[in-house]
Amino acid sequence: DAGITQSPRHKVTETGTPVTLRCHQTENHRYMYWYRQDPGHGLRLIHYSYGVKDTDKGEVSDGYSVSRSKTEDFLLTLESATSSQTSVYFCAINDRNVQNEQYFGPGTRLTVT
Amino acid sequence: GESVGLHLPTLSVQEGDNSIINCAYSNSASDYFIWYKQESGKGPQFIIDIRSNMDKRQGQRVTVLLNKTVKHLSLQIAATQPGDSAVYFCAEKGTGGSYIPTFGRGTSLIVHP
Repeated sequence: DAGITQSPRHKVTETGTPVTLRCHQTENHRYMYWYRQDPGHGLRLIHYSYGVKDTDKGEVSDGYSVSRSKTEDFLLTLESATSSQTSVYFCAINDRNVQNEQYFGPGTRLTVT
Repeated sequence: GESVGLHLPTLSVQEGDNSIINCAYSNSASDYFIWYKQESGKGPQFIIDIRSNMDKRQGQRVTVLLNKTVKHLSLQIAATQPGDSAVYFCAEKGTGGSYIPTFGRGTSLIVHP
């Protein structure tokens, strides 16, 4: 398995609170991604990064921010969590040389009450 | 808009049978098509990809067929095993340095012993 971990794996939080999810990789891959997965939808891209301090929005970026201060870490922050952000969040990485093969982390299940 | 989807949400097969999972796509400009497998409680795992200039590609026990005339993609799994039980996603990717796939909703494959 690719060296990619996510923390926490499960979290329950209240509406209006800030939440930060962490993705950590040991593969030194340039590209990192945050997706959310919901019933009835495919994986939807929230934000992605193409290098340290280089990030861009995906199709469902509203309400989320990201930061990448080191190659190995990509943080996803919900500034003020809402119930619509209850979901399973996946981090993924890939390397330009193998561009089609994204490696996914184990996911974080977030519940906003 | 452009979309990637799957014909069947659930497919049940007997162990040892061959499985065929289908996917329709609408973006004729996509350069690559990719299949992922997601086991319960885990992140998606890359299975195989095919470039748009190919009709068929084989892997270990899997074959992907691409029919550009009808914009149809299929994943064939030979001699299906209980360990193949999972959700299978197709995804498409464009050219021009875009490393971001668009995912379909997924088909659940259930293998009965």
